[in-house]
Amino acid sequence: GDSVTQMEGPVTLSEEAFLTINCTYTATGYPSLFWYVQYPGEGLQLLLKATKADDKGSNKGFEATYRKETTSFHLEKGSVQVSDSAVYFCALSDIGGSYIPTFGRGTSLIVHP
Amino acid sequence: NAGVTQTPKFQVLKTGQSMTLQCAQDMNHEYMSWYRQDPGMGLRLIHYSVGAGITDQGEVPNGYNVSRSTTEDFPLRLLSAAPSQTSVYFCASSTGTGKDYNEQFFGPGTRLTVL
Repeated sequence: GDSVTQMEGPVTLSEEAFLTINCTYTATGYPSLFWYVQYPGEGLQLLLKATKADDKGSNKGFEATYRKETTSFHLEKGSVQVSDSAVYFCALSDIGGSYIPTFGRGTSLIVHP
Repeated sequence: NAGVTQTPKFQVLKTGQSMTLQCAQDMNHEYMSWYRQDPGMGLRLIHYSVGAGITDQGEVPNGYNVSRSTTEDFPLRLLSAAPSQTSVYFCASSTGTGKDYNEQFFGPGTRLTVL
């Protein structure tokens, strides 16, 4: 079945540092890939997405590229801010299967001033 | 649009009590889901619905019931609360159609404690 594996956290960075959160996936079809973000005390919200190989999703300075050859969708940001502190979830939705997304376990990011 | 709303925000129950967590969306979305979020476990799917009158089980359905009598509402019922059901519960919806058919919109969550 489909699965998503994320690096375990927490990831702790200083402000303006470079961020990478790794995400790899297993899917039987041709999935769409997503990153969701959960700020403290809130529900998840979509951060970015990519629907086919080599697509790059981007939003709020975050980027992720759909790499079919390595089955990866790593999240990156060049310069993090304290306000980026949150939990980040990688997810996939396989159009060949159920519409229900498969989520990773989430990676907590803590950014210090 | 209010998006996805959930009530209550917080709830404390005693073991054996029953209750209903409410979820509503005003985006005319066909698909709705319930998840629970536990430390180190990520999100686990409890039940989902692909339209009014249609529901199905997710990964962890035991102890929970759902129904979908309208497009807007998708309540989650705890039949006899147990301490293992202490968790944060999220409701989500998506259109089910078009190029963004699987983009999930989440509610703010209900934090449930069972004593």
